[in-house]
Amino acid sequence: GAGVSQSPSNKVTEKGKDVELRCDPISGHTALYWYRQRLGQGLEFLIYFQGNSAPDKSGLPSDRFSAERTGESVSTLTIQRTQQEDSAVYLCASSRGQGDWGSYNEQFFGPGTRLTVL
Amino acid sequence: KQEVTQIPAALSVPEGENLVLNCSFTDSAIYNLQWFRQDPGKGLTSLLLIQSSQREQTSGRLNASLDKSSGRSTLYIAASQPGDSATYLCAPPRGAGNMLTFGGGTRLMVKP
Repeated sequence: GAGVSQSPSNKVTEKGKDVELRCDPISGHTALYWYRQRLGQGLEFLIYFQGNSAPDKSGLPSDRFSAERTGESVSTLTIQRTQQEDSAVYLCASSRGQGDWGSYNEQFFGPGTRLTVL
Repeated sequence: KQEVTQIPAALSVPEGENLVLNCSFTDSAIYNLQWFRQDPGKGLTSLLLIQSSQREQTSGRLNASLDKSSGRSTLYIAASQPGDSATYLCAPPRGAGNMLTFGGGTRLMVKP
């Protein structure tokens, strides 16, 4: 079976432009997560979806960041008016989990999208 | 808030050595912990998911242990190989959504 896929693999944009990053989770995985990794820093959580709902958006760094998920499948992370500090690798992960405290499931990551804001 | 520390930050060893990578976390109210490897310019590959009830989990040459009470997890790599060179990350989950919190990782280099 296919793993988590992300597109594009690389994106170079100019400051102030909007970008959309796509994630296709493993089929049947109800939980989907976005993380980002800035150069020289650790991974940080952005947003979590359970089905098409986002119970936790606490990691989104500003209101320029938004995400949606449709059909309990593909998710899109949108960054408006990009800034240079948005440059990072954006990683998507999915799991079977239902989000219950005692029923954690293993998260599987995609290859990431490397975003460079000039 | 969960905070994760990994020691050592970097490790360079000759091929064949047995290795110990350490992870400590501040919030011990976890039911499991996941270990990953990350190769340069790549995404994360899941290595092991260890449940607190298991205390240990093995996959090939890898063995992970989890001690919730002390807030520690250890990844053992037996008979290291050059192909094991990568950054190793531990990640306990937090919250109802099981969001992962990552440490800074251990950057491993195994020399032939």
